[in-house]
Amino acid sequence: AQTVTQSQPEMSVQEAETVTLSCTYDTSESDYYLFWYKQPPSRQMILVIRQEAYKQQNATENRFSVNFQKAAKSFSLKISDSQLGDAAMYFCAYRSAGYGGSQGNLIFGKGTKLSVKP
Amino acid sequence: DTGVSQDPRHKITKRGQNVTFRCDPISEHNRLYWYRQTLGQGPEFLTYFQNEAQLEKSRLLSDRFSAERPKGSFSTLEIQRTEQGDSAMYLCASSATGTGGLSEQYFGPGTRLTVT
Repeated sequence: AQTVTQSQPEMSVQEAETVTLSCTYDTSESDYYLFWYKQPPSRQMILVIRQEAYKQQNATENRFSVNFQKAAKSFSLKISDSQLGDAAMYFCAYRSAGYGGSQGNLIFGKGTKLSVKP
Repeated sequence: DTGVSQDPRHKITKRGQNVTFRCDPISEHNRLYWYRQTLGQGPEFLTYFQNEAQLEKSRLLSDRFSAERPKGSFSTLEIQRTEQGDSAMYLCASSATGTGGLSEQYFGPGTRLTVT
C-alpha cells in the first residue's frame, strides 16, 4: 500500500521570504501523480500543484514549485515570495495513474500548517 | 459552474441518531469521492462512484455507513446510529474521466459532524 509522510507538522515563514515543505512517499508503482493541496482555515481544499511521475521536469505554478526526486521518493514544495494569504494547511497527496478502471482516490499525508508572519 | 457543494456545512447530533449529508458535484464530472478528515489528519478515502455505480469502499466504511448516487448526479452519505468517533469533517470531491485518464479532484467545503 502507498503511504505519504509529511514530517513537519508546522512551519513558519516571514512575508516575502521562501519556505520549503517536505513530503516523502512510499510506493512500488512506477506511474503515479503527486499533488500539493492547500486548505485555508474553514475553507475548502484547493489544488496548488501537480507532478506526473514520468516527467523529469519539476512542476511550477507561479510562486509555487516542486522538487521531485523519484529515486528518493521525495516531493517538496517551495513557496517563493510568501504572502499572508499562503497561510494554510498544506497536504501532500499521491494518486496512482488513472486509466479508466483505476480507483483514482488520493492518499494524503497528515499535513503541514504554514504560518506567514507580516 | 459553481463547483462542488455540500449540505449541510455543520451538523450536531446526539449519539445514536442517524444523519445524512448531500454532495452536488461539478455537473460534467462522472466520478464522485467521499473522504473523512479528523482533527490533525489528512483526508482518508471512504468510497467512490463512477456515475451511479459505487465501485469501491474503504475498510473505514463500517456497516453503519451507506452512500448512494442516484442517476449519477448528487450523492448522499448516511451514517446510522452515530458514535462519537464519527465526529469529523466529511469531504466530497468530483473528477472527470476521459481518454486522457482522470482529471483533478475538486473538493467541496465539507460537512463538519459533531456527535455529542
